[in-house]
Amino acid sequence: ETGVTQSPTHLIKTRGQQVTLRCSSQSGHNTVSWYQQALGQGPQFIFQYYREEENGRGNFPPRFSGLQFPNYSSELNVNALELDDSALYLCATQDVSYEQYFGPGTRLTVT
Amino acid sequence: GEDVEQSLFLSVREGDSSVINCTYTDSSSTYLYWYKQEPGAGLQLLTYIFSNMDMKQDQRLTVLLNKKDKHLSLRIADTQTGDSAIYFCAGGGGYQKVTFGTGTKLQVIP
Repeated sequence: ETGVTQSPTHLIKTRGQQVTLRCSSQSGHNTVSWYQQALGQGPQFIFQYYREEENGRGNFPPRFSGLQFPNYSSELNVNALELDDSALYLCATQDVSYEQYFGPGTRLTVT
Repeated sequence: GEDVEQSLFLSVREGDSSVINCTYTDSSSTYLYWYKQEPGAGLQLLTYIFSNMDMKQDQRLTVLLNKKDKHLSLRIADTQTGDSAIYFCAGGGGYQKVTFGTGTKLQVIP
């Protein structure tokens, strides 16, 4: 039990739609990272937020955006969904110890 | 950027030791991690090693780091069927992005 929760658990969207995924973490976890894990692959870094500011970004287009809130929750927004966006989306939070704690993920299917 | 490589599959008998290997390219990673992922689940942090350490032991788990060869290994002693999962090594940490390998599927044969 990591104390990191994600919602929803599963989601089905149609190509071209927009989606918002949510993550909540423990108090004191100021850093949140989002990852995309395609089937059979390792997680790929999307971006990281620290104290509500984007702190680093992987090789993902601008239609992937995020927000972090003062209550240690965060969102991942994806616009103009494509079939290749189908994946497990993981958020990971960390405290000052640099240990990353992952949530259970949201499985997104784009049809 | 960091590249992290792992062998795809490992099969061991219950009670034997498992050794999962990983090589990485970026020596500036602050931490090197091992994660476990069971089917349909998120990632569970098993252990991590700071980049200036050579070895870390935590109960049945032993992590070895060879900085010269940029090689990381995870040894699981007395492997159990519950250890069957996909194991990811990853490098980064702190405020660096964490780069994951493609994962090694460990199959434990009863």
